[in-house]
Amino acid sequence: QKEVEQDPGPLSVPEGAIVSLNCTYSNSAFQYFMWYRQYSRKGPELLMYTYSSGNKEDGRFTAQVDKSSKYISLFIRDSQPSDSATYLCAMTPYNNNDMRFGAGTRLTVKP
Amino acid sequence: DGGITQSPKYLFRKEGQNVTLSCEQNLNHDAMYWYRQDPGQGLRLIYYSQIVNDFQKGDIAEGYSVSREKKESFPLTVTSAQKNPTAFYLCASNYLGSHNEQFFGPGTRLTVL
Repeated sequence: QKEVEQDPGPLSVPEGAIVSLNCTYSNSAFQYFMWYRQYSRKGPELLMYTYSSGNKEDGRFTAQVDKSSKYISLFIRDSQPSDSATYLCAMTPYNNNDMRFGAGTRLTVKP
Repeated sequence: DGGITQSPKYLFRKEGQNVTLSCEQNLNHDAMYWYRQDPGQGLRLIYYSQIVNDFQKGDIAEGYSVSREKKESFPLTVTSAQKNPTAFYLCASNYLGSHNEQFFGPGTRLTVL
């Protein structure tokens, strides 16, 4: 079993749809959770960063963490074609730079 | 502009050759990392360095070597011992003691001919 599981998709939605991207993990030591967006042939860029369980909102993006279920989500509201990318979840234990990544979900938003 | 640069963007290697990928950062970050990305797989850690002149193996270090002579630079050498080197290589960096978020360079695509 992988430490971090992420559905690779691909996921295709119409413009304006709400997108839900998810990851599960097995290591209860993970404390910090991140979402990265990666456009084709580019390096990942940090999108959202969360620490505690609950929701964190930034514009059209909401990151959700449920530590009891070992489950994190990223919601994208009013999705745009420019959101078409691969989304990677990542997580680390406390005070530890050993970051573990999901395989990434490829998202396409169609105009 | 502060950031992480990687060069070259594309690199072609013949079998049996060693090649070196460059990574430079001007963010004054303490730690630097090299990852490999293959289709359908998450990023896998090759090597990391938290301080000049010191580095640690990651999950897939075999066939790779690194050096950290300067804080700003962390070059990766892909040796001929690496059996399947064709991949997208990503360099990242962050501050030690930060909340661990890492910032990535644009990547180098290595293809073995």
